[in-house]
Amino acid sequence: EVQLVESGGGLVQPGGSLRLSCAASGFTVSSNYMSWVRQAPGKGLEWVSVIYSGGSTYYADSVKGRFTISRDNSKNTLYLQMNSLRAEDTAVYYCARDFTHGRYFDLWGRGTLVTVSS
Amino acid sequence: SYVLTQPPSVSVAPGKTARITCGGNNIGSKSVHWYQQKPGQAPVLVIYYDSDRPSGIPERFSGSNSGNTATLTISRVEAGDEADYYCQVWDSSSDHQVFGGGTKLTVL
Repeated sequence: EVQLVESGGGLVQPGGSLRLSCAASGFTVSSNYMSWVRQAPGKGLEWVSVIYSGGSTYYADSVKGRFTISRDNSKNTLYLQMNSLRAEDTAVYYCARDFTHGRYFDLWGRGTLVTVSS
Repeated sequence: SYVLTQPPSVSVAPGKTARITCGGNNIGSKSVHWYQQKPGQAPVLVIYYDSDRPSGIPERFSGSNSGNTATLTISRVEAGDEADYYCQVWDSSSDHQVFGGGTKLTVL
C-alpha cells in the first residue's frame, strides 16, 4: 500500500528542538519530490519545505535557517529537523509527495502535532 | 512572493452549485490544484492541472482557470461536500509552493 506515516511530534519548550520523521511505503522517497506542509490550529495550510530527488532543498521564509529537511534512502524516510522553535511553529505537520511533473501533492500522511509551549 | 486569495466562506443549499474562487496575479498562466479537507483529516487532492480529476473524485467536481481567477465548481452539492477547500500553485520564481487561505464550504 502506498502511504506516508509521520511521527516525532510532541510538546517542546520555546527555543527547543524536535525531529519529525515520515516513513514511506509503496514508493521510493529518493525518486520523488517530498514536502512538509503544516497547519496551525484553526488555520490554513502552509508549505514549509521541499527536497527534490536530486537533493536540492527549499524553505519557506518563516522557517529558513531554523528547519532542515533531509531523507534517509536506506530507510525510505523523510525528516524535518526543527531548531529554535517558537510558539508560532505550533501546528500539525504533514509530509506529502510533491508530484514531480505537476507540482501538486498527490499523497499525504495523517500528520503529527507539534506544540511549542512553556 | 506570490499570493492566492480565497473567500473565507461559501454557503450553498443541497443540490445547488457551489463556486469557490482563487485569485492571483495572472493565475491563468499557472497550473492550479485544489484540495478538500474535512475536520481532523489530511487534505485530499480533488482537482489538478486546473481541471483534471484524480480517480475516485466525483464528476460533480470541476475546475477552470483564466486571467486572474481560478474556480472550483461543485455541482449538485451534497452534505458530504461540507469541508475546507484550498487552492495551490507552484511559484517558479521562488521555487515555493503557495496555498490560498482556504474556503469553508457550508451546506445549508
